[in-house]
Amino acid sequence: EAQVTQNPRYLITVTGKKLTVTCSQNMNHEYMSWYRQDPGLGLRQIYYSMNVEVTDKGDVPEGYKVSRKEKRNFPLILESPSPNQTSLYFCASSLYGGRASNYGYTFGSGTRLTVV
Amino acid sequence: GEDVEQSLFLSVREGDSSVINCTYTDSSSTYLYWYKQEPGAGLQLLTYIFSNMDMKQDQRLTVLLNKKDKHLSLRIADTQTGDSAIYFCAETLYGNNRLAFGKGNQVVVIP
Repeated sequence: EAQVTQNPRYLITVTGKKLTVTCSQNMNHEYMSWYRQDPGLGLRQIYYSMNVEVTDKGDVPEGYKVSRKEKRNFPLILESPSPNQTSLYFCASSLYGGRASNYGYTFGSGTRLTVV
Repeated sequence: GEDVEQSLFLSVREGDSSVINCTYTDSSSTYLYWYKQEPGAGLQLLTYIFSNMDMKQDQRLTVLLNKKDKHLSLRIADTQTGDSAIYFCAETLYGNNRLAFGKGNQVVVIP
């Protein structure tokens, strides 16, 4: 089944403890992206990647890192999480980026992160 | 710049039609989308419309695009309880690598 898989689904952690949220897609998509969803703010893009070894900042990149060493994986790294990073995170992929967007984006099921 | 605006909440009786509205500011948008988010799930692409179209119909869904007013709407005919969800409109620009989302519109279907 074609899908985007995120892990974990739920995570509670303490301030300052490094964590990684994994994202994997099995559709050979070039484009991958991370969003966070907060009440009243909708979805905001954190980082995106057009292809392997190509990443760029989205709207709210502060406090996050990403890497794209392989086409299928795009982990989101929080080196020193803070409470304002408590949010619902989504990974998404698309065959191409915005230019050929009739394909749409495929989203993972989300990771609910709480930083205390 | 990009700015997608949506109203926040709509309740509708089962069997009625529901209409969700969205406005966007960037006239160079090429594709506009509607996504559906069910509770506890990710976003699912419902439909999209290319910016040179005025209307697109897909079963119970009708998308209307008013380019002059930069207004996008989604009409759901014969709304079912399974249509209860948050609906996001989104736009992308030619040559831009991002989707810009609205804040979402929660639809509650009353049996």
